[in-house]
Amino acid sequence: KAGVTQTPRYLIKTRGQQVTLSCSPISGHRSVSWYQQTPGQGLQFLFEYFSETQRNKGNFPGRFSGRQFSNSRSEMNVSTLELGDSALYLCASRRDSGPTYEQYFGPGTRLTVT
Amino acid sequence: AQSVAQPEDQVNVAEGNPLTVKCTYSVSGNPYLFWYVQYPNRGLQFLLKYITGDNLVKGSYGFEAEFNKSQTSFHLKKPSALVSDSALYFCAVSVSGSGNTGKLIFGQGTTLQVKP
Repeated sequence: KAGVTQTPRYLIKTRGQQVTLSCSPISGHRSVSWYQQTPGQGLQFLFEYFSETQRNKGNFPGRFSGRQFSNSRSEMNVSTLELGDSALYLCASRRDSGPTYEQYFGPGTRLTVT
Repeated sequence: AQSVAQPEDQVNVAEGNPLTVKCTYSVSGNPYLFWYVQYPNRGLQFLLKYITGDNLVKGSYGFEAEFNKSQTSFHLKKPSALVSDSALYFCAVSVSGSGNTGKLIFGQGTTLQVKP
């Protein structure tokens, strides 16, 4: 079974621009979560989508948004990029959204904001 | 507040020796605990989880973890370390959200260095 895929793998953007990252979950997984990983803050939860609905949201500004499509694929968007948004963005999928289900992570998208 | 702590930034061990990577947690309600490993330029790989039942949980690649409720700990262990085990290890707790969902709260990570 194919794993979680994320595109693009690397991205360089300029401050003030916006960016869209894409995630395709493992086949049959209905829950997709997004995390931001930085050296200073570690791994932080952004949001989770299940059946096209946002179920959980982390403590990030409204510039960070996402959506999920009917085939469970998900996108996250960051508008008005800031230098501090430079990070590895990880997508994770799991079969269901209950707290006992393990999440499977993609390789991440490395975003650099200049 | 619910949190996870990994008290050691780095653990060094010789190949063939047993290894332990420590994790403590603070949650309200039932703790659902996970260990993940991250290799350079890769995403996180699931190793094992504790939901309920036996306090000793066995996972992938020969790893196991011991859940201790009284000490609120969930230490990762392996009887005999390999050089290829060198990586960044994360402990996480799944926190219940609205509608029986769960989000992961991660510790800061522990770098495991296994020397030949």
